[in-house]
Amino acid sequence: EPEVTQTPSHQVTQMGQEVILRCVPISNHLYFYWYRQILGQKVEFLVSFYNNEISEKSEIFDDQFSVERPDGSNFTLKIRSTKLEDSAMYFCASTILRAETQYFGPGTRLLVL
Amino acid sequence: KQEVTQIPAALSVPEGENLVLNCSFTDSAIYNLQWFRQDPGKGLTSLLLIQSSQREQTSGRLNASLDKSSGRSTLYIAASQPGDSATYLCAVRPHNYGQNFVFGPGTRLSVLP
Repeated sequence: EPEVTQTPSHQVTQMGQEVILRCVPISNHLYFYWYRQILGQKVEFLVSFYNNEISEKSEIFDDQFSVERPDGSNFTLKIRSTKLEDSAMYFCASTILRAETQYFGPGTRLLVL
Repeated sequence: KQEVTQIPAALSVPEGENLVLNCSFTDSAIYNLQWFRQDPGKGLTSLLLIQSSQREQTSGRLNASLDKSSGRSTLYIAASQPGDSATYLCAVRPHNYGQNFVFGPGTRLSVLP
């Protein structure tokens, strides 16, 4: 069964460093998302992406964040200058149509020291 | 702004029991609602998706209902098994806010052998 994959599974970085989190959505899906979950808190929406552009973003998704679909398969989230409070599990998701089930990847656990 | 709550926060039951997990949302103008399962330190697994025009969805031992007018959804698990132990998340897609989900805090379920 097709699935969303994410790399790396874990990332440790120093405050102020740039990180890139990678996702490979399900191949025929058209809508892509990033969510995050700070330890012990709710899953929070960050950004949605369709037709090679951001379709919606939350207040969390400030100028330090960017997303890109550099080729036909990868979908990336970049954090330009990480802060301690960026430590969280980051989930990528995709869906074939806007109204359909969102499929989540296993997540990348980011720890900022 | 849409808010999602889940009751109870945690639940422990003996194997074989039928159980109900509750989800409430403040704004009834939703596009759809999705139930997920999250295992510790892992990603989200989609269980059931209910469109706003539907009243319920069933998959195996799981049944999810939706009462949009009262802002409630329930997830019914029949004949619970230890393998059902996980955190169950409810997520609502608001009708007027685009494509992002608003998640509840989850119910942590333990099924004891």
